[in-house]
Amino acid sequence: DQQVKQNSPSLSVQEGRISILNCDYTNSMFDYFLWYKKYPAEGPTFLISISSIKDKNEDGRFTVFLNKSAKHLSLHIVPSQPGDSAVYFCAASEFSNDYKLSFGAGTTVTVRA
Amino acid sequence: DAGVTQSPTHLIKTRGQHVTLRCSPISGHKSVSWYQQVLGQGPQFIFQYYEKEERGRGNFPDRFSARQFPNYSSELNVNALLLGDSALYLCASSGGSSSTDTQYFGPGTRLTVL
Repeated sequence: DQQVKQNSPSLSVQEGRISILNCDYTNSMFDYFLWYKKYPAEGPTFLISISSIKDKNEDGRFTVFLNKSAKHLSLHIVPSQPGDSAVYFCAASEFSNDYKLSFGAGTTVTVRA
Repeated sequence: DAGVTQSPTHLIKTRGQHVTLRCSPISGHKSVSWYQQVLGQGPQFIFQYYEKEERGRGNFPDRFSARQFPNYSSELNVNALLLGDSALYLCASSGGSSSTDTQYFGPGTRLTVL
């Protein structure tokens, strides 16, 4: 069963504007969350992560927000650039099984010039 | 530095056959994980090996097996292939065995079962 859900399969945004990607999870034992980015014919590339003890983590243009009570996290990309066009996967893990990541189905982001 | 490499890139098999997929981790990485990505879905965890020992296994049948060699490279074997095994198989390596150790993915092997 899908414990990590990305309900928006696609997102189109104009260059320079903000991209907001959403992710929901059902497993309350998840305590570490990650975002990966994937270009065609390449493997996923780690983007940013957040531990459950935090509610925000920033790295350059990328910020991840975590709302534990709502079991929801989001990725903000500001400003969006054409090179950001890719598939973005949300992933999560729990301390007791920290060897494995549970992934969402992905959101395809298209940045329009 | 070379990233994670996987071979072959593409593979076509028929139902009932057996397949072996190979993965070479980043130099110095001791952990290798395997994921299956079916079209339209996210990667699903199959196995993790750390220091040549199986550390975790996902919800996959016994037809799936793997091993890790002394040089930390790994093989994923799938027996009695089914049409539903058609997928992109991803290998990831990391320095440690925890999910907080960044996992670096290879480009994957595209398996088609006819």
